[in-house]
Amino acid sequence: AQKVTQAQTEISVVEKEDVTLDCVYETRDTTYYLFWYKQPPSGELVFLIRRNSFDEQNEISGRYSWNFQKSTSSFNFTITASQVVDSAVYFCALSEANFGNEKLTFGTGTRLTIIP
Amino acid sequence: DTEVTQTPKHLVMGMTNKKSLKCEQHMGHRAMYWYKQKAKKPPELMFVYSYEKLSINESVPSRFSPECPNSSLLNLHLHALQPEDSALYLCASSLGLGESYEQYFGPGTRLTVT
Repeated sequence: AQKVTQAQTEISVVEKEDVTLDCVYETRDTTYYLFWYKQPPSGELVFLIRRNSFDEQNEISGRYSWNFQKSTSSFNFTITASQVVDSAVYFCALSEANFGNEKLTFGTGTRLTIIP
Repeated sequence: DTEVTQTPKHLVMGMTNKKSLKCEQHMGHRAMYWYKQKAKKPPELMFVYSYEKLSINESVPSRFSPECPNSSLLNLHLHALQPEDSALYLCASSLGLGESYEQYFGPGTRLTVT
């Protein structure tokens, strides 16, 4: 069975600080996909990134970066120079490659508060 | 355009009412999803449609009845709900099933059952 653990329930940082959100996953499959979603107070989940298990390259998109390490089963997310608009709940999720029956398993989420 | 729309935004209904939630996407996606999200919890999958056919039903009570009239529309019909069904209902769509494509979510319908 697949599982995603986000051990950080809540994080608060002062604006412009860097912050890293941790994500640890468990799966028996060799082919799987990892995701990060942002859920601002408005409620809509916003897709941030999708990464497959064969692509371990780190990714940077503006102030966002992701560190995928298969050796430790982690897919951590870093926000550089945080801004108030980054305040949200962030979900890490995992999907095993199970054609026609793939499902997203979400972590419990990390509530990030950026203090102005 | 990565927009999924949902109506209504808010819904209050009694336990004997019948209501429907609507979801629409125009991205050409062939998979559509319903999720239920309780406060401070992650979304829970309810149903998945692929090419307008029900693909996954996560043992959801029959008082929730999904419908996919065409590839762009997804409905969730509600009948005889319980107060514990109060939650945020999220619709999502993706290119299809088979490659774990990213899902795009709508803003949700906040449902209160009285």
